[in-house]
Amino acid sequence: VQLVQSGAEVKKPGESLKISCKASGYKFITYYIAWVRQMPGKGLEWMGIIYPGDSDLKYSPSFQGRVSVSVDKSNTTAYLQWGSLKASDTAMYYCARWGGYNYGPFDFWGQGTLVTVSS
Amino acid sequence: DIQMTQSPSALSASIGDRVTITCRASQSFGSWLAWYQQKPGKVPKLLIYKASTLESGVPSRFSGSGSGTEVTLTISSLQPDDAATYYCQQYKSYPWTFGQGTKVEI
Repeated sequence: VQLVQSGAEVKKPGESLKISCKASGYKFITYYIAWVRQMPGKGLEWMGIIYPGDSDLKYSPSFQGRVSVSVDKSNTTAYLQWGSLKASDTAMYYCARWGGYNYGPFDFWGQGTLVTVSS
Repeated sequence: DIQMTQSPSALSASIGDRVTITCRASQSFGSWLAWYQQKPGKVPKLLIYKASTLESGVPSRFSGSGSGTEVTLTISSLQPDDAATYYCQQYKSYPWTFGQGTKVEI
């Protein structure tokens, strides 16, 4: 099992961004993919989760409207997207999978994508 | 939202000590509670899920107990490799939420 995330990004405020999480080694459509934010020196924050099988999607209210989560089943890839970045979006972003209530949440994680937003 | 509060926020202990971290919730999460370990600059690692089920490959010195609104993570005999920040997470209801973390120093 691997979740391989796209590389670090440096962006300016107001720019858009889409980062990716490529899954392999398991049946992609049967595991949820979640996104977790970690701001510098801070804790973990759950952003949202998507089920690739039917694209069912849940967001944290803290991130609803600020980010979009999507999947491309044909490429076994999940995405996290911003329409207009802010400096406060500077953080490490992780993707992680969940197999449902018979399994532990987030048993495999991506390596993280560092997003830096600075003018 | 279910708010998760860990205590203590940090602790210092010696090799071989028994260490206990507590996680309390603003409402019941049943047994849908996980613990993660994160070392500096590393990806979080799942230790325990369903409040007390040890993830495969995790040393048996780690254990979890409790349910409802309070759980504990216990390290029975602290080892040098256990220096890390530990997070609890409820996954009973959306939005899933993490505790603020407990930093364990040796």
